[in-house]
Amino acid sequence: DGGITQSPKYLFRKEGQNVTLSCEQNLNHDAMYWYRQDPGQGLRLIYYSQIVNDFQKGDIAEGYSVSREKKESFPLTVTSAQKNPTAFYLCASSPGTEGQPQHFGDGTRLSIL
Amino acid sequence: AQSVTQPDIHITVSEGASLELRCNYSYGATPYLFWYVQSPGQGLQLLLKYFSGDTLVQGIKGFEAEFKRSQSSFNLRKPSVHWSDAAEYFCAVGAKAAGNKLTFGGGTRVLVKP
Repeated sequence: DGGITQSPKYLFRKEGQNVTLSCEQNLNHDAMYWYRQDPGQGLRLIYYSQIVNDFQKGDIAEGYSVSREKKESFPLTVTSAQKNPTAFYLCASSPGTEGQPQHFGDGTRLSIL
Repeated sequence: AQSVTQPDIHITVSEGASLELRCNYSYGATPYLFWYVQSPGQGLQLLLKYFSGDTLVQGIKGFEAEFKRSQSSFNLRKPSVHWSDAAEYFCAVGAKAAGNKLTFGGGTRVLVKP
């Protein structure tokens, strides 16, 4: 079945440590997105990529980094510069054209030890 | 910049009663609009979308939504709620001029009383 796979489902980070969240899609979508979700704040866009080897900052990119070396993969690194990383992270993909919805993975919950 | 407001943070409804969730957007051009549903600890599932054409759109799970340009609204409705409809609901707006990125509302949490 086509879809988006995020791993791991739960992740713990020590102070000063970088961690990488995985996102893989087999929907052949051009565009991919990373969101952060905090209680009561909806979804906020971290980074997005509309094509391989290109990506743009979203609304809250500070303390995060991404890469898009393959069409199906868009990993997110939460760096030590992100001072409040505890959140639920959602990856999404879409064809990238007008009017098309985004399809979401099941998320990764990141916590600080 | 586009924005989305969901005025109701929480709504409690009895099973079998009707449900209406409000969504207001702000954008100069004609947007396209979505409603998503999220169960706890899960990703978002698409309920329905409006892009053009008929302003009353039907979705999955018996939901429908009506686009009202004059009121900048895209309210979600269901005639009879089931206990399994308890979840969080998000309205989202996108536009070609914004690079087809989506802006999400803050969400409305629906509780269903037996």
